[in-house]
Amino acid sequence: NAGVTQTPKFRILKIGQSMTLQCTQDMNHNYMYWYRQDPGMGLKLIYYSVGAGITDKGEVPNGYNVSRSTTEDFPLRLELAAPSQTSVYFCASSYSGQGSEQYFGPGTRLTVT
Amino acid sequence: AQSVSQHNHHVILSEAASLELGCNYSYGGTVNLFWYVQYPGQHLQLLLKYFSGDPLVKGIKGFEAEFIKSKFSFNLRKPSVQWSDTAEYFCAVNRPQGANNLFFGTGTRLTVIP
Repeated sequence: NAGVTQTPKFRILKIGQSMTLQCTQDMNHNYMYWYRQDPGMGLKLIYYSVGAGITDKGEVPNGYNVSRSTTEDFPLRLELAAPSQTSVYFCASSYSGQGSEQYFGPGTRLTVT
Repeated sequence: AQSVSQHNHHVILSEAASLELGCNYSYGGTVNLFWYVQYPGQHLQLLLKYFSGDPLVKGIKGFEAEFIKSKFSFNLRKPSVQWSDTAEYFCAVNRPQGANNLFFGTGTRLTVIP
């Protein structure tokens, strides 16, 4: 199993550009999550999904959109990139809800200039 | 809002020294508690977790953590660190109800000198 994979690893965007961060898991997990980590800060939840077709906002959803058309994939969309979105983005998945271990991807380092 | 505090941003130890990393959380209800580790160039991975029962939990690689409810704390310990323990350590909590989303501390970078 590859676990949770994310692409790209690094990306530089100009202000106002759009992009999609890809996340795929091959563990048949129901729950998936997107976090961002700013320098010197802990990870904060952007969006999460409890199954295909179901998504919900986390702590810091503004400026992002997600979709979950399949169990495996959970892409994160930035429509109009802003410097405040410069961060490292982590995708995670878990089999179920409470108490279920979350498995993390390697992260995507995004710089918006 | 729920918050998680990790008191030490960067800890430097010599091999064989004992380690204790502090973690406090602000939520007053029942919580689940976790320690994650990120080795250089690797994914975040779970070290240990506490849901209920014995407040002293043991994890992988000789780590343990103690839940002290009265102090809202979940400190991570290891009696004797190794160079391979050099990593960033994150404390996290979630609540038994609702989504399984984690609230993370800011992390502690541990450097172990051979």
